[in-house]
Amino acid sequence: AQTVTQSQPEMSVQEAETVTLSCTYDTSESDYYLFWYKQPPSRQMILVIRQEAYKQQNATENRFSVNFQKAAKSFSLKISDSQLGDAAMYFCAYSPGGSNYKLTFGKGTLLTVNP
Amino acid sequence: ETGVTQSPTHLIKTRGQQVTLRCSSQSGHNTVSWYQQALGQGPQFIFQYYREEENGRGNFPPRFSGLQFPNYSSELNVNALELDDSALYLCASSRKGLAGGSETQYFGPGTRLLVL
Repeated sequence: AQTVTQSQPEMSVQEAETVTLSCTYDTSESDYYLFWYKQPPSRQMILVIRQEAYKQQNATENRFSVNFQKAAKSFSLKISDSQLGDAAMYFCAYSPGGSNYKLTFGKGTLLTVNP
Repeated sequence: ETGVTQSPTHLIKTRGQQVTLRCSSQSGHNTVSWYQQALGQGPQFIFQYYREEENGRGNFPPRFSGLQFPNYSSELNVNALELDDSALYLCASSRKGLAGGSETQYFGPGTRLLVL
């Protein structure tokens, strides 16, 4: 069974600084997808970034980028120029390729942004 | 905003009752997945519906059941409610093509269920 581990229950960062959230996963599949979702107090789960396992290039979305290390099964999220609106719970999630692509989530990392 | 809507936003039930939660998928999406998120935890996959049929199920008992309608909206039904069913229930919609493959899931705002 696939598992996703987020080893940092809480992280904090100063506004405008950079922070990295860690995620490791375990799978025997070769075709899969990885995601970072953000869940603010409003509780709506918002997609931050997505990475296809077959792509060697790390995904980037504006201030958000990932460091995808396939051999190490590591998928960290870097947030640059942190803003107060980035404060939220961040979930790393795994989805197998193929026709059944349920998401398996980690337990989350609570990010606090200090002004 | 993702275009995925859920109703109701909050619900209070007593143990043993039955509940129905509703989800409208984003335009163009044909697949709906349901997740249970206990307080302080990540969401857990309940099941997924595609073309009105269940397309995968997580480790949840049969009293958790669902439906998908021709317009791709979906319902989650929970019978014989237990205290541990208290959670945030999230639905997510996505688009699956004929060739399969993984499409990103977009979440609704959730329904908060409290079982007393």
